[in-house]
Amino acid sequence: SQQGEEDPQALSIQEGENATMNCSYKTSINNLQWYRQNSGRGLVHLILIRSNEREKHSGRLRVTLDTSKKSSSLLITASRAADTASYFCATDGGGTSYGKLTFGQGTILTVHP
Amino acid sequence: KAGVTQTPRYLIKTRGQQVTLSCSPISGHRSVSWYQQTPGQGLQFLFEYFSETQRNKGNFPGRFSGRQFSNSRSEMNVSTLELGDSALYLCASSRLQGQNSPLHFGNGTRLTVT
Repeated sequence: SQQGEEDPQALSIQEGENATMNCSYKTSINNLQWYRQNSGRGLVHLILIRSNEREKHSGRLRVTLDTSKKSSSLLITASRAADTASYFCATDGGGTSYGKLTFGQGTILTVHP
Repeated sequence: KAGVTQTPRYLIKTRGQQVTLSCSPISGHRSVSWYQQTPGQGLQFLFEYFSETQRNKGNFPGRFSGRQFSNSRSEMNVSTLELGDSALYLCASSRLQGQNSPLHFGNGTRLTVT
């Protein structure tokens, strides 16, 4: 079963607007990661935030992490049509979990030109 | 640097057959993980290999197996295929041995079981 729950399941916005996606998880973590997947292709790593970090930025991406609420959010600013994709959060479940990430069900983002 | 390469890209098999999928990790990456992606169950972890040793395994039946070679290339095998095995199978490699290591995914093998 999926540990993460993403909200919303689908998001449709116009180019230039900001997109915010939320993720909740159930167990302790060492880190939380966000990935993007274009239709029918592999996942692309976007950003990793460690459990002792609260916020991280990478270009137009901003990720926050609240371990007390077991939740994270991904903000994409000034979105572009090329940002259209599915976005997944993934957690490592804490402890030693070689290669094993637990993914949420994902948010489908559509950015209209 | 070349990315993770998975072959074949598409496969169509019949129930009861077996299939082998191949994955070449990014050069220098020694950890290889496999995931199954379906519309119903989402992304689920199958197993992880490092230096030819399986270090972690997901909750899949024994019909799913894998191995890693000395050059870090990996294969996964599914025997006695079932209709429910139809999925996108993704391979990922990582550079670091421990935690806090991003995964680099290939584009997957789309398996259809008829």
